[in-house]
Amino acid sequence: GESVGLHLPTLSVQEGDNSIINCAYSNSASDYFIWYKQESGKGPQFIIDIRSNMDKRQGQRVTVLLNKTVKHLSLQIAATQPGDSAVYFCAEIHNQGGKLIFGQGTELSVKP
Amino acid sequence: DGGITQSPKYLFRKEGQNVTLSCEQNLNHDAMYWYRQDPGQGLRLIYYSQIVNDFQKGDIAEGYSVSREKKESFPLTVTSAQKNPTAFYLCASKLGYVGNSNQPQHFGDGTRLSIL
Repeated sequence: GESVGLHLPTLSVQEGDNSIINCAYSNSASDYFIWYKQESGKGPQFIIDIRSNMDKRQGQRVTVLLNKTVKHLSLQIAATQPGDSAVYFCAEIHNQGGKLIFGQGTELSVKP
Repeated sequence: DGGITQSPKYLFRKEGQNVTLSCEQNLNHDAMYWYRQDPGQGLRLIYYSQIVNDFQKGDIAEGYSVSREKKESFPLTVTSAQKNPTAFYLCASKLGYVGNSNQPQHFGDGTRLSIL
């Protein structure tokens, strides 16, 4: 069925290292993808998005890569900081209806 | 500052009681959404609205009701028919149409609902 899932439920990294959070999606009709960061007790915060006509998009310390061949999305965080500790969700939107489908989330823990 | 305000932050419901969660946005967004989040899980869509006086059921609408009397407000009522209401409720809004897949949804900071 249609789903957006994550390969790892938890990820622990050392402060200053780079983090890579992965996401698999199953619907080839999806044409827009978003990464959200959710801290404890707060709502999801928009990080970065990418459209299906792109392979890569960079923001401040973050990069999103989209591989449509294998239906894979990743979020790379450079020089991970303690403030990056949170749950990260990928989400996809189908090109019809605009319904946002969320994955389960990956918890990123940054060790000082 | 522009944003989405949800209130209250914490809410307790007694058996047989209806409770209403508030969501207000000053972003001038047209589309608004309500999601439910259970521990360790992603978000599930309850209801959404494109314009005033119009709203549509999401994936888990049973036991919930909404209204959209003003563009900036989209309150959610958790009725006594919702047998498992304990969850974190998130309101979101988006620029443009619901069917527009080129704009992200922006979220409030949620209301945590518990049963007494």
